[in-house]
Parts: sequence; C-alpha cells; structure tokens
Amino acid sequence: AQSVTQLGSHVSVSEGALVLLRCNYSSSVPPYLFWYVQYPNQGLQLLLKYTSAATLVKGINGFEAEFKKSETSFHLTKPSAHMSDAAEYFCAVKRAYQKVTFGTGTKLQVIP
Amino acid sequence: DVKVTQSSRYLVKRTGEKVFLECVQDMDHENMFWYRQDPGLGLRLIYFSYDVKMKEKGDIPEGYSVSREKKERFSLILESASTNQTSMYLCASSFTSGGSTDTQYFGPGTRLTVL
Repeated sequence: AQSVTQLGSHVSVSEGALVLLRCNYSSSVPPYLFWYVQYPNQGLQLLLKYTSAATLVKGINGFEAEFKKSETSFHLTKPSAHMSDAAEYFCAVKRAYQKVTFGTGTKLQVIP
Repeated sequence: DVKVTQSSRYLVKRTGEKVFLECVQDMDHENMFWYRQDPGLGLRLIYFSYDVKMKEKGDIPEGYSVSREKKERFSLILESASTNQTSMYLCASSFTSGGSTDTQYFGPGTRLTVL
C-alpha cells in the first residue's frame, strides 16, 4: 500500500521568505514522487518529480524538493516566496504500474 | 504542449438529473482519469481507463459511470445526480512509459453544483 501525508493544510509566509511545504510518504517499495501546483480556478500542473535519478530535484518557478529515504520525506522548498506562488500544492506518490495517490493539499498564502 | 479540455467550467444541475462531463486530450495518451476534489480531502480517483473501451474503478466509483469510445475522449456520467456529488471534477491523462513516471496532465476542472 502507498500513502502520502502533507503536514499543514494552510501555510503562510511573507514575501521573500523561505517556503517549506512538508510531505511524508509511505511505500513498501521505492516510489516515484511528485509535487503538483493548482492555481485558483485551474487544474493541477506538475512542479517536479522524483524518479530515483537524483535525490535533489529541481522544478519550475524556482522550487526544489529533496528525497530523503531515511525520513520517508519529500519536502518542497523555495528560497524566496513570491506573491505569484500563492496556490494549493499537492504531493503525490506512485509505484510502478500502480495508480497515483495524492495528498490532501497545502494552501500557501504569501503575505506582502 | 499537452492540452486536456473539459466541456464545462461550471455546471448547475438538479437532483435526479443525468449529468455528462466530457474530457478530451490531444496527446494520444493511453491513460485517462477522473477525480473529484473536495476541500480537506484532496483528489480522489473515481475511475480511470488505460485503453479504449477499458475502465477500472478508482477509490470512489459509487454513483458514477464512465465511457471511453475513442482514445482522446473520456466521459464521466452521473446517472442520477445527488447533492453529495456537488464538487470539483478534474480530468487527467498520461502516457504509459513502461509504468515508471507517468506524469499526469490535468484539465481546468468542472465545478458541478447539484441543487
């Protein structure tokens, strides 16, 4: 079985501050991991994905995530928040030939 | 760029009506998915299809059915809409790359309200 837990349904940061969105996964075998972003009134868009090639994954819009097997984590970070980063972020896990399981999402608010 | 389109952005229906939600993708993807998104619950998979005329139940198929007569089109059907089916519905598609990464591409969503 596989599952993903996102800690914090709402996160607020000041513009220019570090963004840290937490994701922990559970999987009996090495998984594939994803972060998606959903801007208001839009569908989900892929930010980045981990496919075992490198533990530090760089995505679009300055985001990156680090796969830590010992901590079963895949936290999303961005050094400096921008107003345009305000959105909902979803972590997702998948094993080969299995369907994707999404987390419950974290809404990021950026305060000017 | 991959494009996934959904027939309506907003839809209002009455209890008991039959509702059709349509999704079309233009990238020749084998896999197509229907999710519903509710606050605090994230995305929950209703049905998916890995080939024309093939369908598999997801986590919450009750009250829904699907149809895939052509590779590019995947329809979600609510046989008799109920108020608890008021939600955002998201369609997605993906290419099967040997079962490895399979990035999903999403449509803009249909916000369905059942009165």
